[in-house]
Amino acid sequence: DQQVKQNSPSLSVQEGRISILNCDYTNSMFDYFLWYKKYPAEGPTFLISISSIKDKNEDGRFTVFLNKSAKHLSLHIVPSQPGDSAVYFCAAYNSGGSNYKLTFGKGTLLTVNP
Amino acid sequence: GAGVSQSPSNKVTEKGKDVELRCDPISGHTALYWYRQSLGQGLEFLIYFQGNSAPDKSGLPSDRFSAERTGGSVSTLTIQRTQQEDSAVYLCASSRNPGLTYEQYFGPGTRLTVT
Repeated sequence: DQQVKQNSPSLSVQEGRISILNCDYTNSMFDYFLWYKKYPAEGPTFLISISSIKDKNEDGRFTVFLNKSAKHLSLHIVPSQPGDSAVYFCAAYNSGGSNYKLTFGKGTLLTVNP
Repeated sequence: GAGVSQSPSNKVTEKGKDVELRCDPISGHTALYWYRQSLGQGLEFLIYFQGNSAPDKSGLPSDRFSAERTGGSVSTLTIQRTQQEDSAVYLCASSRNPGLTYEQYFGPGTRLTVT
């Protein structure tokens, strides 16, 4: 049973436009959410996070929105750049859990075309 | 500073052989995690170490998998009698104070191929 879902395996956008990556979760115990970016042959790198007590967190070109009632979050990248092309993973965390593990979605491959 | 390092970067082994994968976490990080990513899948939690506490092995898929962490630093993941379904990228991550900070820092992974 997948608790974190990224329903779009891929997304293609033009340079300079907005990229919107979506993520849904089913476990209401999740209270912290993270986005990771992964280039081929590298480990995932942390991008941005949001606590469940907030509905928005912004860091430069990256903004994450959280809709708790819908159990949905999204990552907005504005403006998109070719260097943003990578696989983006959504991850969720239960701070009351015993092992602080991250539960990941399957990822969305973002391609930003020049 | 140095990030999480893993070795080897690639490992090809024959079915039935044992393999050992190594992880060096970031210095000062008390928590260490192993995940694996199979083809087309997200990262799957395997095991968690925190300080000197007993590890949480709840994610290990079978008793062929084991891991240890010596001296609260380096960790090795051992897979005995490898099977083809064990082929995946094995990722190690560390974090400073789980429960206070939530970001985990990942190494580059070991790509394991079982033939």
